[in-house]
Amino acid sequence: DTGVSQDPRHKITKRGQNVTFRCDPISEHNRLYWYRQTLGQGPEFLTYFQNEAQLEKSRLLSNRFSAERPKGSFSTLEIQRTEQGDSAMYLCASSLSGLAGQSDTQYFGPGTRLTVL
Amino acid sequence: AQTVTQSQPEMSVQEAETVTLSCTYDTSESNYYLFWYKQPPSRQMILVIRQEAYKQQNATENRFSVNFQKAAKSFSLKISDSQLGDTAMYFCALEGSARQLTFGSGTQLTVLP
Repeated sequence: DTGVSQDPRHKITKRGQNVTFRCDPISEHNRLYWYRQTLGQGPEFLTYFQNEAQLEKSRLLSNRFSAERPKGSFSTLEIQRTEQGDSAMYLCASSLSGLAGQSDTQYFGPGTRLTVL
Repeated sequence: AQTVTQSQPEMSVQEAETVTLSCTYDTSESNYYLFWYKQPPSRQMILVIRQEAYKQQNATENRFSVNFQKAAKSFSLKISDSQLGDTAMYFCALEGSARQLTFGSGTQLTVLP
């Protein structure tokens, strides 16, 4: 399977704990995106990388959230001191950037469902 | 700021019939892209169809086609010959120069046997 993979698929944690999620993009894709999806809503953009550079961060991404893509391949999303409001599905997507100004289709992974008790 | 609105939270259609899902959007950009994604129950988001705003011709992908009305900022999805496997949540999404997707709240489509 050469699609986007995410690990773990499910995570249950207690309020105040730290959690880390991993995303492995499609191998040749240079862009990687993180989104958050709450129940019954569409995904909301959190951040994205081009290679190892983090180019954009949403205001949704509080200082408890940090994302990295150290070698331009896989990425991690860490949430510190989790709160119940962090409970959501965390989606990763990747794309291969083409010509400047042109869209590149984003392919999504299965997501990590976080439950904060 | 960009916004995407899907005003139909739920829809149903009989197998083999045609259904249209509505989407309106707002953006100040002139160069943007529109997408429909499908999210089956407990499964990952799959791209259904995409449309470049600079193209007047409506995109078509097998049984899926769009009606893109740029002046009205409308982007509806038509599914012909509906199949049971089309049952899913459908999201309309907009991508501008920032390359991030802005999604609508989704339409839950149920295909009835």
